[in-house]
Formats: sequence, structure tokens, C-alpha cells
Amino acid sequence: QVQLQQSGPGLVKPSQTLSVTCAISGDSVSSNSVAWTWIRQSPSRGLEWLGRTYYRSKWYNDYALSVKSRIGINPDTPKNQFSLQLNAVTPEDTAVYYCARTRAGVLDYWGQGTLVTVSS
Amino acid sequence: DIVMTQSPDSLAVSLGERATINCKSSQSVLYSSNDKNYLGWYQHKPGQPPKLLIYWASTRESGVPDRFSGSGSGTDFTLTISSLQAEDVAVYFCQQYYTTPHTFGQGTKLEIK
Repeated sequence: QVQLQQSGPGLVKPSQTLSVTCAISGDSVSSNSVAWTWIRQSPSRGLEWLGRTYYRSKWYNDYALSVKSRIGINPDTPKNQFSLQLNAVTPEDTAVYYCARTRAGVLDYWGQGTLVTVSS
Repeated sequence: DIVMTQSPDSLAVSLGERATINCKSSQSVLYSSNDKNYLGWYQHKPGQPPKLLIYWASTRESGVPDRFSGSGSGTDFTLTISSLQAEDVAVYFCQQYYTTPHTFGQGTKLEIK
């Protein structure tokens, strides 16, 4: 059974970096048949796909254009986890952030969600 | 980006009755080489992460009750709950995974009448 456990601060100051980690159990971040994805949800934006990382003999990333200049999604193979960094945050980045496993395109396992508020 | 539009925004249905939610994509999500529609449906209850219900537009995820079904092709899709149960109260989202970013519909809130 795959489980995803998220961790990270719930409050980030404007212009700083948001960072959330997703620890994986029951699968491997280096699996060559799935991808590892970040999504966020806010009242103003709804559900927004942010990007993914996946391993197919080497590591790949895809990012949404809306955040491409500010985002990093990085695997940590020794710890079997992956992380989201979002730079230069503004109050518009306030949202619940979810990690998820992507299998053949769909999100079949999700983390519990992390509410991140951007405020001074 | 592919824009996903759901209708209605909210829906109230009596217990035991049928609920129907529609999802329209701004371009086709049917991949001709494998004849698959890259469309999924999710159920989202408060305080929980979304749950995958349907993929390839009509394939139920393991463990999902058979009262949930998906249909459609190309740009027009439907999620049907054949006999509404109290535990089906939730927000339902469609998502295309034909091309990145994998965009979502705005959601349909399903309530009991």
C-alpha cells in the first residue's frame, strides 16, 4: 500500500521560499513506471497541477508555465522522498499543497495536504 | 493549456436517484494511436485528499463502487452516480492528462436534496 506523508511549514513570508516534502512508503521515488507530482488548491485557482518529477534512466521534470520560473521539484533517493520549492512567494501562493503519485497520467495516491499561508 | 469546464457547478439529488456531472475539454483528449481518452474523475470530501474514481474516461479504479460510471469521448464526458448514497456528498473534479499541465475542472458540488 502506497502512502505519502507530507511535511513542511504552514506559514511563509512574502518573497521567501515555500518548501514542502513528501515521504514515500510502499513505492520508490526512482520507479520507472510512475511520476511524482505536486498539486495545489485554493478558492481562487481551484485545483492547479504544478509539476512532476520522474525517472526513466535519468531524471525528468515537467512544470506548469504559471510557476516555471519559480518552482523546483527534486527527488531525494536515499530518503525515498521528493520535495517542492516555490521561490518568491506572494499571498496568491496561499493554498493547500498536495503531493501525489501519477500512474499512467492519473493521480492514484495523494498526501494528506499541507496548508501553506503566505503572510508577513 | 487545455481548459476543463464542468457543469453544473452544484447539484442536489435525492437519495437513491441518479446524479450526472458533465465535463467539457477545450480540445480533444482522445489519443488516436491507442483510442484512449486521457480523462479522469476524482471525488473530494472536506478534510481529505481527492480520491481517484475513474481513469481512461470510463475505467473504474479498484475498490470504487459500481454505481459510479464514466462515459464520453473526445471533448465531452459524463460522470454518473446511478443511485446516490449519503456518503457520495462531495465535490467532483475531472482532469485531463492528455498534455501537461494536467488541468482540472472547477469542480461540481454534489448535495442531498
